Amino acid sequence: GAGVSQSPRYKVAKRGQDVALRCDPISGHVSLFWYQQALGQGPEFLTYFQNEAQLDKSGLPSDRFFAERPEGSVSTLKIQRTQQEDSAVYLCASSLGQRGANTGELFFGEGSRLTVL
Amino acid sequence: DAKTTQPPSMDCAEGRAANLPCNHSTISGNEYVYWYRQIHSQGPQYIIHGLKNNETNEMASLIITEDRKSSTLILPHATLRDTAVYYCIVRAVYSGSARQLTFGSGTQLTVLP
Repeated sequence: GAGVSQSPRYKVAKRGQDVALRCDPISGHVSLFWYQQALGQGPEFLTYFQNEAQLDKSGLPSDRFFAERPEGSVSTLKIQRTQQEDSAVYLCASSLGQRGANTGELFFGEGSRLTVL
Repeated sequence: DAKTTQPPSMDCAEGRAANLPCNHSTISGNEYVYWYRQIHSQGPQYIIHGLKNNETNEMASLIITEDRKSSTLILPHATLRDTAVYYCIVRAVYSGSARQLTFGSGTQLTVLP
């Protein structure tokens, strides 16, 4: 597709449920990022992939959060045993990220809004 | 990455220039200034970036002071569709890697009819 695609756009989960959020980056983009955005706040970094390698997961708030990108394209963010504080918009972004040609421009999807009841 | 300071909100009349300031007094020599904006219910959108020279593209102009401690994003003729949160981000760009952006709280720009 032309842009970063995320699904589902909206997800309502009961506390304790597991959820999976999907991100389809722009074709050919090497780098993929996940961000969490609470209401009224700026996006906060969760994790970063370069191809299939997860190079930075320092922003994941707990071990209930897990991300993967097994073939270096589509990525899934999984949240186990969801809690109310997990309610947020989860944004995915991709970047060309080629060596020596990285302008730093990230292309964001529209996000997945998670509400935990 | 250096921290940035932006006013929490600004208003601008439709058709007038919107000037959004950003302070980044601790910026390092290898750090660029990036601007993104986020329209309600959408993901952030890249606007422009620069190192020390002023930059212009089809969306906006970026003016960076000579000492690089502050910058201004200029939307020359604001429209209602420019109403959004504008984020000023300072980030080092390393060849061969793609580092994440660190967002602050941004400036809520409201363009008034």
